[in-house]
Amino acid sequence: RKEVEQDPGPFNVPEGATVAFNCTYSNSASQSFFWYRQDCRKEPKLLMSVYSSGNEDGRFTAQLNRASQYISLLIRDSKLSDSATYLCVVVRGSWGKLQFGAGTQVVVTP
Amino acid sequence: NAGVTQTPKFQVLKTGQSMTLQCAQDMNHNSMYWYRQDPGMGLRLIYYSASEGTTDKGEVPNGYNVSRLNKREFSLRLESAAPSQTSVYFCASTTSGYLYEQYFGPGTRLTVT
Repeated sequence: RKEVEQDPGPFNVPEGATVAFNCTYSNSASQSFFWYRQDCRKEPKLLMSVYSSGNEDGRFTAQLNRASQYISLLIRDSKLSDSATYLCVVVRGSWGKLQFGAGTQVVVTP
Repeated sequence: NAGVTQTPKFQVLKTGQSMTLQCAQDMNHNSMYWYRQDPGMGLRLIYYSASEGTTDKGEVPNGYNVSRLNKREFSLRLESAAPSQTSVYFCASTTSGYLYEQYFGPGTRLTVT
């Protein structure tokens, strides 16, 4: 079983709609959680951290559920520019080593 | 400020050939990383360097070697390329103060035939 699992999608979303997707992690000792964004054939970039209490950054909301071992990302009022692959990242223990999920593809359509 | 740069952008090798992927950062970051990204697999850590003068194995180090040449540069060498090493390779760097915001280079697309 992979340590970090994501639904690969694609999630096809009309412009202006809301989309949400989850990421599950297998190791309960995981300490920190992040969402990275990767545009097609580009490098990943940090989108946001995920805090235990949940957090928002503009139209993006991230949640953590430790009991069920998943994190979620919700995008409100989707823009065409939100089309990308969203990578779930989990950190467990060792210094600076990130465990990446394979990504969830989101396609926002006009 | 170029951030993280990688060369080459594309490379085709024959099985058994060797090559070195170059990475440099101009953000004065202490830590640098090499990842590979394969379809359906996510990024996997090959090697990392916590600081100048140190290197450590990641999740998938077999078939690779690295050199932290100085604070700016971290190279990845394939001594005898195999088709299983066909992948996109990303270099990343980060500052000690916030290890998890990693800045990635544009990637090298490597095909081994």
